[in-house]
Amino acid sequence: AQSVTQLGSHVSVSEGALVLLRCNYSSSVPPYLFWYVQYPNQGLQLLLKYTTGATLVKGINGFEAEFKKSETSFHLTKPSAHMSDAAEYFCAVSDEDTDKLIFGTGTRLQVFP
Amino acid sequence: DAGVIQSPRHEVTEMGQEVTLRCKPISGHDYLFWYRQTMMRGLELLIYFNNNVPIDDSGMPEDRFSAKMPNASFSTLKIQPSEPRDSAVYFCASSPAGRGIGTEAFFGQGTRLTVV
Repeated sequence: AQSVTQLGSHVSVSEGALVLLRCNYSSSVPPYLFWYVQYPNQGLQLLLKYTTGATLVKGINGFEAEFKKSETSFHLTKPSAHMSDAAEYFCAVSDEDTDKLIFGTGTRLQVFP
Repeated sequence: DAGVIQSPRHEVTEMGQEVTLRCKPISGHDYLFWYRQTMMRGLELLIYFNNNVPIDDSGMPEDRFSAKMPNASFSTLKIQPSEPRDSAVYFCASSPAGRGIGTEAFFGQGTRLTVV
């Protein structure tokens, strides 16, 4: 069965600094991978997804993620953090057998001025 | 489309009362998911439907929880009787047919349930 692990429940960066949120997956088949963002008191919103093809995926708000099969990773990055990026970020994998989305435990990003 | 619509946005109820949460998925989406989010347990999948049929309810915590999808445009999650430990944010999400093509789920705004 597929699963995802997010390393670091909290990440703090200064405004303008690089954002790196880590996600490792476990899957016996090529996975479909997702990053979602949740702003306070909001539902989850899709940032980006990887299905097939190009391993570097660009999403909304300047975020991107790279699928690395050799490392079983799908880390989320943004070159320069903005205050508005403060939110909780969830990595997810689609379970091909059951169509369920399996979420990681989330990483809360804080951005300091 | 207005997206996934959940009601109510907030619900405060007394222990022992019945609570019903409602969800209208995006038109044309074949899958509907109910999730629960708490600080302690994160985001948990409770149950999901495909074409109005419950496929996997293994995440439903107890018999006090039940979910129905009488038609393609409406689903309910009921808790009876409610307990303080049920306090959480409950999300509904819908997705187009996803097997093999990695389509994402679209989430509603959630219902914040407080049981006192």
